[in-house]
Amino acid sequence: QSVLTQPPSASGTPGQRVTISCSGSSSNIGSNYVLWYQQVPETAPKVLIYRNNQRPSGVPDRFSGSKSGTSASLAISGLRSEDETDYYCAAWDDSLSGWVFGGGTKLTVL
Amino acid sequence: QAQLVQSGAEVKKPGASVKVSCKTSGYTFIRYYMHWVRQAPGQGLEWMGTMNPSGGGATYAQRLQGRVTMTRDTSTSTVYMELSSLRSEDTAVYYCARAYSATTIPSENWFDPWGQGTLVTVSS
Repeated sequence: QSVLTQPPSASGTPGQRVTISCSGSSSNIGSNYVLWYQQVPETAPKVLIYRNNQRPSGVPDRFSGSKSGTSASLAISGLRSEDETDYYCAAWDDSLSGWVFGGGTKLTVL
Repeated sequence: QAQLVQSGAEVKKPGASVKVSCKTSGYTFIRYYMHWVRQAPGQGLEWMGTMNPSGGGATYAQRLQGRVTMTRDTSTSTVYMELSSLRSEDTAVYYCARAYSATTIPSENWFDPWGQGTLVTVSS
């Protein structure tokens, strides 16, 4: 059971905009930055969004992050076939004194 | 450019221990915290703990306390993660992941780069 809650799956058609939610609590998302990682199967995760809404260099601006209270969202606009993979949210948890992750969302591009 | 190269796959029996290495290059080893994250087959990511390569101190996830030990060798810029009393539920890919920034405030950091992962299989 993951500390952060994500929907197990999401889907969209090419060109569409999809959002993936991540719900937490006051000890993690409510008081700390949210990260989003993208993981292609059989490879290590890669950071997509840091500090709630910042993109590392090289990440397309089709990816955006937001946070409100104890929830966060990852939005992907102009959906492309190569976006079909797994996405994880993460945050530092003050109560656990450790990093917590969401259970992951598998994105399907129809 | 920072790189992390992990040791190869391991097969262990229940009750045994495993030690995974993560050799670093391309940056000042002692400046950045190192984390370990694992992923069971078909499952999500689980943070295991972190260590400060400068002083050697480590902080572990509560559910792994007492079974996990993180160490480092500054002469070879290598960090190690040892997990003891292995059970089938420990079968997973284990990743080392460097803190992106040298800041000591964990909530302001993230993991980048990552090692390639090491599959540990626990089976009788």
